Amino acid sequence: DTGVSQDPRHKITKRGQNVTFRCDPISEHNRLYWYRQTLGQGPEFLTYFQNEAQLEKSRLLSDRFSAERPKGSFSTLEIQRTEQGDSAMYLCASSLADRGNYGYTFGSGTRLTVV
Amino acid sequence: GEDVEQSLFLSVREGDSSVINCTYTDSSSTYLYWYKQEPGAGLQLLTYIFSNMDMKQDQRLTVLLNKKDKHLSLRIADTQTGDSAIYFCAEGYNKLIFGAGTRLAVHP
Repeated sequence: DTGVSQDPRHKITKRGQNVTFRCDPISEHNRLYWYRQTLGQGPEFLTYFQNEAQLEKSRLLSDRFSAERPKGSFSTLEIQRTEQGDSAMYLCASSLADRGNYGYTFGSGTRLTVV
Repeated sequence: GEDVEQSLFLSVREGDSSVINCTYTDSSSTYLYWYKQEPGAGLQLLTYIFSNMDMKQDQRLTVLLNKKDKHLSLRIADTQTGDSAIYFCAEGYNKLIFGAGTRLAVHP
């Protein structure tokens, strides 16, 4: 297993376009998290899944954002009608909840630039 | 609400010890974490501590927890240039609340 993979690494899009990011967690991990990180800040929680169920969503996750994890494996995060304020690093992480929470494993992130 | 605060910058000489401090607000936090982020990379878990512990040591890393003051610190012994990075304190269980990060600069 090569860890948490995110695709693409970088995405430049025009304002108003839709974008979709993919995250492949560590295969035996049943929890998957999405965070957003802007320059000079720590990551901010967006949402998380246990298997295919989305258990919590942050108020940061507006109606333009949607996340799915259809088969309890990979996840996608879609942003519709992107705005310049959506420019950030989008981080995915996974963990195995059954053993308590000994911290997540993060992917390298997808850097989104909205122009 | 929940909040985690850290000093933004620390500069140390190579070979000295570094101490990065963090304060948090959620007294119910079960776990507290330290993550490291190098330029262009994701976050790497360095260590964690359960809230019922006062101290945890892991090779060059020592974590101290003062629950009364809601204060967490990370000490890096014999700091090396490869330790230059941003260090994040985080609290929580399912959902982690991160501080803004402390940028550690190690100079010769």
